[in-house]
Amino acid sequence: NAGVTQTPKFQVLKTGQSMTLQCAQDMNHEYMSWYRQDPGMGLRLIHYSVGAGITDQGEVPNGYNVSRSTTEDFPLRLLSAAPSQTSVYFCASSYSGTGGTDTQYFGPGTRLTVL
Amino acid sequence: GNSVTQMEGPVTLSEEAFLTINCTYTATGYPSLFWYVQYPGEGLQLLLKATKADDKGSNKGFEATYRKETTSFHLEKGSVQVSDSAVYFCALRDGGFKTIFGAGTRLFVKA
Repeated sequence: NAGVTQTPKFQVLKTGQSMTLQCAQDMNHEYMSWYRQDPGMGLRLIHYSVGAGITDQGEVPNGYNVSRSTTEDFPLRLLSAAPSQTSVYFCASSYSGTGGTDTQYFGPGTRLTVL
Repeated sequence: GNSVTQMEGPVTLSEEAFLTINCTYTATGYPSLFWYVQYPGEGLQLLLKATKADDKGSNKGFEATYRKETTSFHLEKGSVQVSDSAVYFCALRDGGFKTIFGAGTRLFVKA
């Protein structure tokens, strides 16, 4: 199993550009989520999905869109990049979203810089 | 709402020293508690977890006990190694769809 994979590893954008961060998992997990990691702030939830076709907002959803057309893939779209979106982005998955005991498996992250 | 507070870092220790990283939480109900570790340049990975009061999670010499009376889940290790240098995150999950993370504590271990 490859686990959770993310591409690209690094990206530099100019203000106003759009892009999609890719995330895929091969563990047949129902639950997937996107976090951003900023210094001193831990991880903050952007969007999550509890299954194909179902997504919902997390703590900091503004400026980001997601969709979940398959169980495996959960791309994150930046609509019009802003310097405040400079961060490290992590995708995670777990077997299910309910129950509260599931371990989350994280991808290696995408480091995004917006100039 | 739910929240997690952990001690600020960085924490700098010499090899073989005793480690404690404090973590307290605020939550309604009975959350599950986790410690995740992030090594340089990598994503987070689960270190240990506890799903009910008085449970002790343990892995790789690290331990943490779920204390409901003090709403705490402190991470301990008796003898740290240079390879333990990383960022440690305390987290809770309350049975819903969201995991709440603390801000992270960076640990440096000197040889």
